Amino acid sequence: DQQVKQNSPSLSVQEGRISILNCDYTNSMFDYFLWYKKYPAEGPTFLISISSIKDKNEDGRFTVFLNKSAKHLSLHIVPSQPGDSAVYFCAASKYGNKLVFGAGTILRVKS
Amino acid sequence: SQTIHQWPATLVQPVGSPLSLECTVEGTSNPNLYWYRQAAGRGLQLLFYSVGIGQISSEVPQNLSASRPQDRQFILSSKKLLLSDSGFYLCAGVTGYPYNEQFFGPGTRLTVL
Repeated sequence: DQQVKQNSPSLSVQEGRISILNCDYTNSMFDYFLWYKKYPAEGPTFLISISSIKDKNEDGRFTVFLNKSAKHLSLHIVPSQPGDSAVYFCAASKYGNKLVFGAGTILRVKS
Repeated sequence: SQTIHQWPATLVQPVGSPLSLECTVEGTSNPNLYWYRQAAGRGLQLLFYSVGIGQISSEVPQNLSASRPQDRQFILSSKKLLLSDSGFYLCAGVTGYPYNEQFFGPGTRLTVL
């Protein structure tokens, strides 16, 4: 049972434009959501997170939006840069417990 | 800052051979530690987690086991590897609030032939 889904396996965006990565979840008990970025043959690095009491969190070029009623979150990267090309994982947890990860979305930013 | 070390970076092992992957944590104490596997084209699957020395929880039935002999050491083992054990193994840890922002090690690429 996939509790966290990233339905787009890949996304290609032109440098300077906006990248929007989407994530859906099924468990309404999740109260914390995170995005990780992963380069090939490396461990994921934490990017940005959001608590369920908020609907938006911003950090520089990265913004995460949470729509609890739709059980949907998205990561916006503006403007996109070639160095942003990586695999992006969405993750969710409840009450500080284990993380449940999505399958990941490969982002390619073309220059 | 918190750092996770993993070794080896890559490993090629024959089917039926034993396995031992080590993970050590630096820069923090009393971390919760996790072993994940990323199979080709798939997401991160949680295999084991540990909240303290000698405390191991298994998430999925499998051919692997884990041990935590010291606070900052987490070991993933197998007595006999299967082809399906191939993948990218990641160790992760978390301490303090928020208890969700795990930091990851560099990973070990395991190929079972």
